[in-house]
Amino acid sequence: DGGITQSPKYLFRKEGQNVTLSCEQNLNHDAMYWYRQDPGQGLRLIYYSQIVNDFQKGDIAEGYSVSREKKESFPLTVTSAQKNPTAFYLCASRGKGTSGKGQFFGPGTRLTVL
Amino acid sequence: GEDVEQSLFLSVREGDSSVINCTYTDSSSTYLYWYKQEPGAGLQLLTYIFSNMDMKQDQRLTVLLNKKDKHLSLRIADTQTGDSAIYFCAELSNDYKLSFGAGTTVTVRA
Repeated sequence: DGGITQSPKYLFRKEGQNVTLSCEQNLNHDAMYWYRQDPGQGLRLIYYSQIVNDFQKGDIAEGYSVSREKKESFPLTVTSAQKNPTAFYLCASRGKGTSGKGQFFGPGTRLTVL
Repeated sequence: GEDVEQSLFLSVREGDSSVINCTYTDSSSTYLYWYKQEPGAGLQLLTYIFSNMDMKQDQRLTVLLNKKDKHLSLRIADTQTGDSAIYFCAELSNDYKLSFGAGTTVTVRA
């Protein structure tokens, strides 16, 4: 079955540590996205990538970094520079010419920084 | 960026219709979407409407679009307990980015 996987589902880290969230898709989608969700707020775009080896900052990129070395994978690193990293992180992907199908979302990773 | 606005909460009796409203600001949006999020899960696309349409119906779901007022609504007929969730509206901009509302938490009571 095609889909997006995010791992782990829950992640706990100590303050000051970098942490990398995994996102993998086998939908053959070109575009991938990372969002952050906080209670009572909509999704805010962190980074996105329209094609392999290229990515752009979203609305809240500070304190985060990404890479897109493979079409299937778009890992997100939450660095120690991110002031308030505890949140629910969602990865999404979109196929070319499929705007009517919107973006396809993974199950999310809940990051808690202690 | 564009602001998409939704009311935060809706309580509805089982079997009644639910109506969730949304306003958006980007008149050039081509597609508008409704997503559903159950607790602790990702977002699931429920339905979408293309900007040249006024209405779209899909089983229990009806989407109405008023482009003049930039108003989008989602009606769920015969609301069931499984419809309890957070519902997000989103608009697609020209660079294929989505802007989301804050989400409407729908609670279905018996």
